[in-house]
Amino acid sequence: RKEVEQDPGPFNVPEGATVAFNCTYSNSASQSFFWYRQDCRKEPKLLMSVYSSGNEDGRFTAQLNRASQYISLLIRDSKLSDSATYLCVVNKGSNDYKLSFGAGTTVTVRA
Amino acid sequence: GAGVSQSPSNKVTEKGKDVELRCDPISGHTALYWYRQSLGQGLEFLIYFQGNSAPDKSGLPSDRFSAERTGGSVSTLTIQRTQQEDSAVYLCATSRGQGRGQTGNIQYFGAGTRLSVL
Repeated sequence: RKEVEQDPGPFNVPEGATVAFNCTYSNSASQSFFWYRQDCRKEPKLLMSVYSSGNEDGRFTAQLNRASQYISLLIRDSKLSDSATYLCVVNKGSNDYKLSFGAGTTVTVRA
Repeated sequence: GAGVSQSPSNKVTEKGKDVELRCDPISGHTALYWYRQSLGQGLEFLIYFQGNSAPDKSGLPSDRFSAERTGGSVSTLTIQRTQQEDSAVYLCATSRGQGRGQTGNIQYFGAGTRLSVL
């Protein structure tokens, strides 16, 4: 089983729509969770950290469900510039700095 | 600059040649990672450094691949006798790697080296 699994998509949505997707992780000892964004032919960049209580950053909301070992990302009022691949990222244990990256979920926002 | 710097940005080489890829980390970041990403694929972990030591080399695909880090700073990834299947983008990332908590684990990526083996 992969350490981090994501629905590859693509999710094709119109501007202004809400899009949401999840990822699951296998290591119950994981303590650090992130969403990264990767644009075509560019390096990954941190979008947001994910905290136990859930957190919001503008139009982006991240949730963590430890019991079911999944993380979600919701994008409200989608913009054309949100088109990218979103990588779910989880650390390997309670005190391990090595991160496992999901293969990514592709989102395409159309005009 | 303040970010992770990788050089060269592009490298074209002939099959069988050796190549060296360089990564300059963010100042003060003790953890350094190398990844490989083929076109349309996810990130493939290669090696992890904490300071100058490499506790995890499990991702290196073959003994043609090696990496070192000196002075807890610059790292070099060397690929010997390159093969066409080595063609990919090689990404370096660094993190503070200190203390507990999520912020120490956040990895910051360089722009990568695009390697093409002809």
